[in-house]
Amino acid sequence: AQKVTQAQTEISVVEKEDVTLDCVYETRDTTYYLFWYKQPPSGELVFLIRRNSFDEQNEISGRYSWNFQKSTSSFNFTITASQVVDSAVYFCALSEALLSSGSARQLTFGSGTQLTVLP
Amino acid sequence: NAGVTQTPKFRILKIGQSMTLQCTQDMNHNYMYWYRQDPGMGLKLIYYSVGAGITDKGEVPNGYNVSRSTTEDFPLRLELAAPSQTSVYFCASSYTRTANEQFFGPGTRLTVL
Repeated sequence: AQKVTQAQTEISVVEKEDVTLDCVYETRDTTYYLFWYKQPPSGELVFLIRRNSFDEQNEISGRYSWNFQKSTSSFNFTITASQVVDSAVYFCALSEALLSSGSARQLTFGSGTQLTVLP
Repeated sequence: NAGVTQTPKFRILKIGQSMTLQCTQDMNHNYMYWYRQDPGMGLKLIYYSVGAGITDKGEVPNGYNVSRSTTEDFPLRLELAAPSQTSVYFCASSYTRTANEQFFGPGTRLTVL
């Protein structure tokens, strides 16, 4: 069975601080995908990134960066120089990479981390 | 291009009532999904569909039914509402089954009293 743990329920930072959101996962699959989604106060989930299990390179996109470490089963997300608009719930998710015929990708979500960035 | 739309935004039901949550996407996506999000929890998959006429159960299908008569629409039916079904329901779609991204609707907040 797959499991995603986001131990940080809530984080509060002051604008311009850096913040790291932790994600630890469990899976028996040898190939899998990891995702981060953002849920702003408006409610809909917004896709941020997908990472393949065989690609452990860190990724940077503007103020966002992701650190994938297969050895510790972690996929952490760092926001540099946080802004008030970054305030949201952030979800880490996991899915198998190999799909059986007729099936669709099923995401296993963590419980989310509520990030509040104060002005 | 409206993306994924859901109606209603909010609804209060009494125990035993039934209702249908509507979901429509205008992106011509074959794959559609229904999730529920309980307070302080991640999303759990209820049902999904890989195309018109084809649906399958997700992790938590009990108490729900779905149908997929067209590519655009994927309604979720609650037949006998129970307090345990109080949740926020999200519909999502993706272009392919291996797509990176699932596009989510704004959600329907349902309370069963």
